[in-house]
Amino acid sequence: QVLLHESGPRLVKPSETLSLTCTVSGGSVTSGSHYWSWIRQPPGKGLEWIGYIYYSGSTNYNPSLKSRVTMSIAIFKNQFSLNLTSVTTADTAVYYCARGIGDYEGFDYWGQGILVTVSS
Amino acid sequence: QSVVTQPPSASGTPGQRVTISCSGSSSNIGSHYVYWYQQLPGTAPKLLIYRNDQRPSGVPDRFSGSKSGTSASLAISGLRSEDEADYYCGPWDDSLSAPVFGGGTKLTVL
Repeated sequence: QVLLHESGPRLVKPSETLSLTCTVSGGSVTSGSHYWSWIRQPPGKGLEWIGYIYYSGSTNYNPSLKSRVTMSIAIFKNQFSLNLTSVTTADTAVYYCARGIGDYEGFDYWGQGILVTVSS
Repeated sequence: QSVVTQPPSASGTPGQRVTISCSGSSSNIGSHYVYWYQQLPGTAPKLLIYRNDQRPSGVPDRFSGSKSGTSASLAISGLRSEDEADYYCGPWDDSLSAPVFGGGTKLTVL
């Protein structure tokens, strides 16, 4: 059973950087059969894909967020991370990390999510 | 605005069969597998259907998926109160070179 767990500050001030980490257990971030993604869900709204990273470090980001997003992977910690800069109240959301399957497919495991509120 | 479209709501009575549609294009549903996720109130999304019509272990066979051309459907038979949730479809999209989600369908069991 693969488990993913998000961690990080739950309150971030406007204009600052949101930083989250996803810790993976029961599986390895070095798996060549998977990619690792961040997805968010503003309160009462739908799912929005933020970006993904492969163990090689190759990334792809949502064009609407690309200028503010950076993802990284820490192989020895079996973790991957999200940095979102210059946040505003519109970035308030539940942030999920998830494991994607292979190439061009969806997500088989999701973290429980972490609510991050942007407020002064 | 999502590149794949779902009805915002659906409803049915216990025991009924309901279907939820997901409409896309040749760059997403037309070219790739469709995944369906179930999000129960206050919880994270959970994989419900993968590769168009496959159920992960533990998902009841009341849930079924299908795909034809640039559209996909999720069917739930023998509707139960515990099926009340939000349902999202999610293919890959070649234009974005990324996974995308439909806007979600809120299923109400009357």
